[in-house]
Amino acid sequence: SQTIHQWPATLVQPVGSPLSLECTVEGTSNPNLYWYRQAAGRGLQLLFYSVGIGQISSEVPQNLSASRPQDRQFILSSKKLLLSDSGFYLCAWRGKGIMNTEAFFGQGTRLTVV
Amino acid sequence: GENVEQHPSTLSVQEGDSAVIKCTYSDSASNYFPWYKQELGKGPQLIIDIRSNVGEKKDQRIAVTLNKTAKHFSLHITETQPEDSAVYFCAASFYGGSQGNLIFGKGTKLSVKP
Repeated sequence: SQTIHQWPATLVQPVGSPLSLECTVEGTSNPNLYWYRQAAGRGLQLLFYSVGIGQISSEVPQNLSASRPQDRQFILSSKKLLLSDSGFYLCAWRGKGIMNTEAFFGQGTRLTVV
Repeated sequence: GENVEQHPSTLSVQEGDSAVIKCTYSDSASNYFPWYKQELGKGPQLIIDIRSNVGEKKDQRIAVTLNKTAKHFSLHITETQPEDSAVYFCAASFYGGSQGNLIFGKGTKLSVKP
């Protein structure tokens, strides 16, 4: 069966510090991968998606970047965190093809920038 | 791009009553409409979805209706139970020769009072 792992579960970082959140998927190959941010009152905002290794598309301009160094690994990074980067970050995957519509989410990372 | 509006943002019902959450979408090309349930501290999980070739779909106490002309769809939960308390998200996407990204509404926090 497929599983998605996301870590850490919680993170408190000072303003200006770097960030690295990691997500890995097991039990599937060549998935589409996504990073969403959930802020209070703003729902699930799509930040980045990737259809393959090294292929990253950004949905919103921001202080964050994403990378996909391996087929089932998706990393969210920042060189210098801002207070506004606080939120709940969710990684998700979907299979390719028109029948693979469901998105599977990780448990999320609660990031607090202080 | 697609924009999804979701109402209400909070909903409180008595156990046994029905709950209805409504969403509208902007892109007439969208043809896939899922609903996700997010429990506290967890990632969202798919509970039901509907494709544009049908107007209604039901799964036990949960049903979804779609009006393509008006570009709105709704989630109906009957005989609500305390375990239905969670945040619910609607989403819209295109699926076909290529897979569109899921665009989510801002969520509805449902509270079911025993």
